[in-house]
Amino acid sequence: QKEVEQNSGPLSVPEGAIASLNCTYSDRGSQSFFWYRQYSGKSPELIMSIYSNGDKEDGRFTAQLNKASQYVSLLIRDSQPSDSATYLCAVNIKSGGGADGLTFGKGTHLIIQP
Amino acid sequence: DAGVIQSPRHEVTEMGQEVTLRCKPISGHNSLFWYRQTMMRGLELLIYFNNNVPIDDSGMPEDRFSAKMPNASFSTLKIQPSEPRDSAVYFCASSRQGLNSPLHFGNGTRLTVT
Repeated sequence: QKEVEQNSGPLSVPEGAIASLNCTYSDRGSQSFFWYRQYSGKSPELIMSIYSNGDKEDGRFTAQLNKASQYVSLLIRDSQPSDSATYLCAVNIKSGGGADGLTFGKGTHLIIQP
Repeated sequence: DAGVIQSPRHEVTEMGQEVTLRCKPISGHNSLFWYRQTMMRGLELLIYFNNNVPIDDSGMPEDRFSAKMPNASFSTLKIQPSEPRDSAVYFCASSRQGLNSPLHFGNGTRLTVT
């Protein structure tokens, strides 16, 4: 059973602070990890991808992966009100080759307070 | 470059009616995915295709649901007969084939069954 767990929130962070979003997954075979942002009434959009242990930085966003702990996180530095959205953690598991569907967590609702 | 195109954007129908949702993936993407999103269950993978071939339909909730991909640029998801519990947002997504390829989502179809 593939499971991806996130705290649903809401997570409230003051503007300019660091927002920290966390995700755990159940399958040790998981090999690729993604963070999507979804605004209310919109479709998910890709923010970050990470495939190996450690940190990956892209602008104000940093993804962190620890496969031993089955844990992936997203840090948002200098949080802006426009970062207020639901953040979805997604995990891909290799089976039989080719692309398999991503398994998504239910998302963390982030609110950046001006 | 056009993104994933879904139609219709909104669909309101009565219980028992047939519903057909349509999707055009991004050109060059050879994997296509149908997801359903509800508040209670989040994003659920229904079925996915690689090179127009259905690979895993274990997420399709019942025999009332069927999906086809007659060619690389078109897919349909059909519900017959529809029920109120089918009300949700249905997303189509596409990607290049490969474990590390992220999904690109369409704008979704909001289905309401009364």
